[in-house]
Amino acid sequence: QVQLVESGGGVVQPGRSLRLSCAVSGFTFSTYTMHWVRQAPGKGLEWVGMISYDASNKNYADSVKGRSSISRDHSKNTLFLEMDNLRQEDTAMYYCARGMSYSDISGFARDAFDLWGQGTMVTVSS
Amino acid sequence: AIQMTQSPSSLSASVGDRVTITCRASQAITNDLTWYQQKPGKAPKLLIYGASSLQSGVPSRFSGSGSDTDFTLTITSLQPEDFATYYCLQDYNYPFTFGPGTKVDLK
Repeated sequence: QVQLVESGGGVVQPGRSLRLSCAVSGFTFSTYTMHWVRQAPGKGLEWVGMISYDASNKNYADSVKGRSSISRDHSKNTLFLEMDNLRQEDTAMYYCARGMSYSDISGFARDAFDLWGQGTMVTVSS
Repeated sequence: AIQMTQSPSSLSASVGDRVTITCRASQAITNDLTWYQQKPGKAPKLLIYGASSLQSGVPSRFSGSGSDTDFTLTITSLQPEDFATYYCLQDYNYPFTFGPGTKVDLK
């Protein structure tokens, strides 16, 4: 069935690194832009970053830029988020989401997040 | 980065009520605005994209409107399963930014 399944979360010490995975099934992974979104406990949603369908374009939130990298492996139908130098404020549930392309009023292609995983929890603590 | 605000931050309503949530962008974003519903312990769900297009499978009691900087999500005749938190998101440019959310609970 069509689904996204995140993994790789856990408890990590500040300053360490972590790689999250998002296994995709039920659709042609290689044709979709993919996103990461996180949510700190009791807080709102925060967009983390994106990778285009062919990995030619990546963008990140200012809060993670320079210490995060998003990649994808089409042979494994898997999306990745690597984060370095983790901080307590990175503690959150991390979701991967599929970008559903639509045309805006000006004809530009935009993304809405039409499919989400169940999330994987990352806790940064000493 | 574009800043998104929502009002109210929370509201109490009864089943059958009409509910309106407002989202405002710090700069014009044409109609590049999506709405999500999130229930406790669950992933968000896409409701509206392009400010006013209803996502497939979403009940027609949900509707969106607006453009440029001011947007509205309306739920006509609130149902028990609609008690949740609602977020807007601008997908006009990177970094994408969410509004802080509006929690809808039972009066």
